[in-house]
Amino acid sequence: ETGVTQSPTHLIKTRGQQVTLRCSSQSGHNTVSWYQQALGQGPQFIFQYYREEENGRGNFPPRFSGLQFPNYSSELNVNALELDDSALYLCASSPTARDNGYEQYFGPGTRLTVT
Amino acid sequence: AQRVTQPEKLLSVFKGAPVELKCNYSYSGSPELFWYVQYSRQRLQLLLRHISRESIKGFTADLNKGETSFHLKKPFAQEEDSAMYYCALSGYSSNYQLIWGAGTKLIIKP
Repeated sequence: ETGVTQSPTHLIKTRGQQVTLRCSSQSGHNTVSWYQQALGQGPQFIFQYYREEENGRGNFPPRFSGLQFPNYSSELNVNALELDDSALYLCASSPTARDNGYEQYFGPGTRLTVT
Repeated sequence: AQRVTQPEKLLSVFKGAPVELKCNYSYSGSPELFWYVQYSRQRLQLLLRHISRESIKGFTADLNKGETSFHLKKPFAQEEDSAMYYCALSGYSSNYQLIWGAGTKLIIKP
């Protein structure tokens, strides 16, 4: 069984640029959630994808967008990067959207630095 | 508003001493409560959830609806318990999305 993987591990971007982060879900999982974790804070929910459809969104502006592919891997895109977007971005997969007691399996994260 | 509060950013106890990590929540309805843990250089992982009523690695947590708390406890701390601990909740009012506390760093001194 392959765990959740994320790429890249680290990324440095300039304010105003765009970035794409990638996540491969654990085998057998059809739901992917993305989180932003600022230093010293708990994860903040960005959005969730269930079977290629957005299934909930947190309090993030539209410049945060995502995709889920038929193999259930996912992308997080952030446009017009701002300095406050600097954070660890976590991807988590789960077997289904809401009926499993919501155990999520996390990837190692992508550390994004915006300068 | 739904919220999870972990009042201690850092908790340091001696090996063999009891541990209690506090978690309070604000929620409309009946939430599902979880504790996640992140050991050094490892990824976030589920430690336990209240609906399963399990004891994992000697940790237990009881949901107190009157006090809206879900404190994590262990009677005798071990050095390998040193980690970052996050309390989280989910439920209908949050569209089943996880809402997280800021975390407590637990340090077990030898």
